[in-house]
Amino acid sequence: GENVEQHPSTLSVQEGDSAVIKCTYSDSASNYFPWYKQELGKRPQLIIDIRSNVGEKKDQRIAVTLNKTAKHFSLHITETQPEDSAVYFCAASDRAAGNKLTFGGGTRVLVKP
Amino acid sequence: DGGITQSPKYLFRKEGQNVTLSCEQNLNHDAMYWYRQDPGQGLRLIYYSQIVNDFQKGDIAEGYSVSREKKESFPLTVTSAQKNPTAFYLCASSPGTSNTGELFFGEGSRLTVL
Repeated sequence: GENVEQHPSTLSVQEGDSAVIKCTYSDSASNYFPWYKQELGKRPQLIIDIRSNVGEKKDQRIAVTLNKTAKHFSLHITETQPEDSAVYFCAASDRAAGNKLTFGGGTRVLVKP
Repeated sequence: DGGITQSPKYLFRKEGQNVTLSCEQNLNHDAMYWYRQDPGQGLRLIYYSQIVNDFQKGDIAEGYSVSREKKESFPLTVTSAQKNPTAFYLCASSPGTSNTGELFFGEGSRLTVL
């Protein structure tokens, strides 16, 4: 089955700096890669996703890049703000397996004012 | 107000007891999922169901059971066979395999075994 590794497990950045979280996956059949944000005490919510036919996707201050050859994908947050402090999870799935997502271990991001 | 509702939010159980966590959705989603969240281990899939009256084991199904008798409901039973049941349990739903794949999560149920 799929295995997703996520690094780092914790990340502390100064407000205004960039944050980068990296994930690798094992199953070359995976073709959908979402990122979820979980604020303290709240449910995970999708913030951005990318499909295997695209190399990069941006949405305001967040972007995701995908390297299918190397089987890794990354989340980039620019101009970080205190409200970006949360746990971020990457995930991968093979659509043929019915949206069964395999998640990484999570990255706790702390943005210091 | 559409959404996915889990109950109870907090639950305490004595060792040897079974406990059932409720998950209800009014989003008309076909697929439903149960994940377990432990610190530093992300979300691990317990069971999932893509249609009524059908479900499949996830990566950590041992000691758990589910049913899917109605489209809106996907209860999870944590049995006494689950060796380490203390955890945060998240239920999720998605429109189905032909959709974007986004999961909509409930607010979770925290189970503590005393």
